[in-house]
Amino acid sequence: DIQMTQSPSSLSASQGDRVTITCRASQAISNHLSWYQQKPGKVPKLLIYAASTLQSGVPSRFSGSGSGTDFTLTISSLQPEDVATYYCQKYNSAPLTFGGGTRVEIK
Amino acid sequence: QVQLQQSGPGLLKPSQTLSLTCAISGDSVSSKSATWNWIRQSPSRGLEWLGRTFYRSNLYNDYAVSVKGRITINPDTSRNQFSLQLNSVTAEDTAVYYCARERDWAGFDPWGQGTLVTVSS
Repeated sequence: DIQMTQSPSSLSASQGDRVTITCRASQAISNHLSWYQQKPGKVPKLLIYAASTLQSGVPSRFSGSGSGTDFTLTISSLQPEDVATYYCQKYNSAPLTFGGGTRVEIK
Repeated sequence: QVQLQQSGPGLLKPSQTLSLTCAISGDSVSSKSATWNWIRQSPSRGLEWLGRTFYRSNLYNDYAVSVKGRITINPDTSRNQFSLQLNSVTAEDTAVYYCARERDWAGFDPWGQGTLVTVSS
């Protein structure tokens, strides 16, 4: 099965900073990758699908890129409401594996 | 607006069967553009996709290797819902369980509200 590896596992940045999270697949998955945001005690929320398509209603400071095995989620200007854990997920074929998550905090 | 509403018991004893239902409004479980998924989350295992059911030319199911042999996901077209059954539960099956829709290769959205299932004697 294809493994999804996220890095870093956690990060702390200042408000307004540019934040980048990476997700690496152990085999090529084309662009069949989603990103989710999960705040404590809440349901995961879809941010990006097809590696770079922003879900309706998601702020434009979020963006995604990549194809094949290497993907990134970027927050162009970190806001206090972005404190959350972020997960990538492959969905090219079963099993639809999630990455281990990246916890984002504000300094 | 599509909504998923989960129901089912939250406390089980070891060896019992976990049964959860996800009721769909605003879409159809028989849609040939969607898949209907179950996911769980625990501190030790993170987000873990368990399986899915979907219609194309026929009814299809996929299951995670970690639960294969113990899991069944079934659609119920008469009630427009789908269910999860997980047999012979142990403490390791303690988690928050979610249902979610995937449509047109566009990620999991929406999700159900989540159900905390605790397995304890």
